[in-house]
Amino acid sequence: ILNVEQSPQSLHVQEGDSTNFTCSFPSSNFYALHWYRWETAKSPEALFVMTLNGDEKKKGRISATLNTKEGYSYLYIKGSQPEDSATYLCAQRNYGGSQGNLIFGKGTKLSVKP
Amino acid sequence: GAVVSQHPSRVICKSGTSVKIECRSLDFQATTMFWYRQFPKQSLMLMATSNEGSKATYEQGVEKDKFLINHASLTLSTLTVTSAHPEDSSFYICSAFPGGPGYTFGSGTRLTVV
Repeated sequence: ILNVEQSPQSLHVQEGDSTNFTCSFPSSNFYALHWYRWETAKSPEALFVMTLNGDEKKKGRISATLNTKEGYSYLYIKGSQPEDSATYLCAQRNYGGSQGNLIFGKGTKLSVKP
Repeated sequence: GAVVSQHPSRVICKSGTSVKIECRSLDFQATTMFWYRQFPKQSLMLMATSNEGSKATYEQGVEKDKFLINHASLTLSTLTVTSAHPEDSSFYICSAFPGGPGYTFGSGTRLTVV
């Protein structure tokens, strides 16, 4: 894998459904994996930053896992709500410190229908 | 939390004119600011890294004479698109590293060159 890839591109679910998305990334030169939630006309909101293989993070109904050996991360949303509708971005950071920059996937656009 | 304020959110300009986009860190000092752009259906791509008090570094393929970056203070970085053309129409967004685990983003600028 040479780029950060996200799937699916878009997702439509009913309120109450649980859902998950995938982020695949090059496992070489890996430093950290970021997940962001981005609503239209707003700033991307940082959800998680994960660095270690096997990391699992949770924030309310949203959780994420990381596998650096095989180069993938999953984001899970339990019991989706309409306010979860947004584009979810993952990004790989290749080296540490403030000079690090992020390599983004194209995002997964989630729509939650009431 | 750390906030980056970006202005304007939307601008329409005539071909051949210049447009300035500002990003301010409101409650932290940003020695480094990252400038990204996003074309339709594409991922956010890093254009350049601005460094307070020194020259910006540009990614391959980004013209430094066209995209002028100034980072004169620890709280303000500006991107000027000079002699804008329709192909420069894009979404531009800045980010900074406030020292926590994640990056903080501005809300972006939609540039349309007519």
